[in-house]
Amino acid sequence: DIQMTQSPLSLSASIGDRVTITCRAGEAIDKFVAWYQQKPGKAPNLLIYAASSLQNGVPTRFIGSGSGTDFTLTISSLQPEDLASYYCQQTYTNPWTFGPGTKVEI
Amino acid sequence: QITLKESGPTLVKPTETLTLTCTFSGFSLGTSGVSVGWIRQPPGKALEWLAFIYWDDDKHYSPSLKNRLTVTKDTSKNQVVLTMTDMEPVDTATFFCAHKRRYSTTWAFDHWGQGILVTVSS
Repeated sequence: DIQMTQSPLSLSASIGDRVTITCRAGEAIDKFVAWYQQKPGKAPNLLIYAASSLQNGVPTRFIGSGSGTDFTLTISSLQPEDLASYYCQQTYTNPWTFGPGTKVEI
Repeated sequence: QITLKESGPTLVKPTETLTLTCTFSGFSLGTSGVSVGWIRQPPGKALEWLAFIYWDDDKHYSPSLKNRLTVTKDTSKNQVVLTMTDMEPVDTATFFCAHKRRYSTTWAFDHWGQGILVTVSS
């Protein structure tokens, strides 16, 4: 299985801050990474696919980048509604695996 | 518009078999390329992929749970069923079904059900 790690596991930031979450894959996975936002008590919501492509309807303040083993999700200007956990996922090979999640507090 | 919804028991006893149904709309599992996945999330923990089922009835399972999982589809009813045998308290989790979308060269879960919390307790 391809292990996905994330850092930090939690962070606290202020409205308007630039926030960066890092995801690392245990082996090279090209750009086969998706990012999801999960608000408390809700299902995950797809933000980014193919490492850097913005899902329809997702605000442009969410920016994905990276390839190979290292990936980042950046929130360019944190908003109150961004309080959530964020998960990276590799879709390179089965079993699809998720990172442990990063909890963003405001 | 794609929607999915999970249904089934919210409480099962240890050693019992769990059967969950995912009822969806807005797509058909009779269409080439379409697939549905199951994912679970223990309380306060991370997401874990469980299984895929494809339009052609191909199935993929998590290697760590393969011996306990079965996924089937009823195309006429727009439903996918997940069974998980020999449930234990550590299997307590919210179970989600999700639509797997292909984006030219990659894939992702673009639509999710609301999830159903299943507690395993005697």
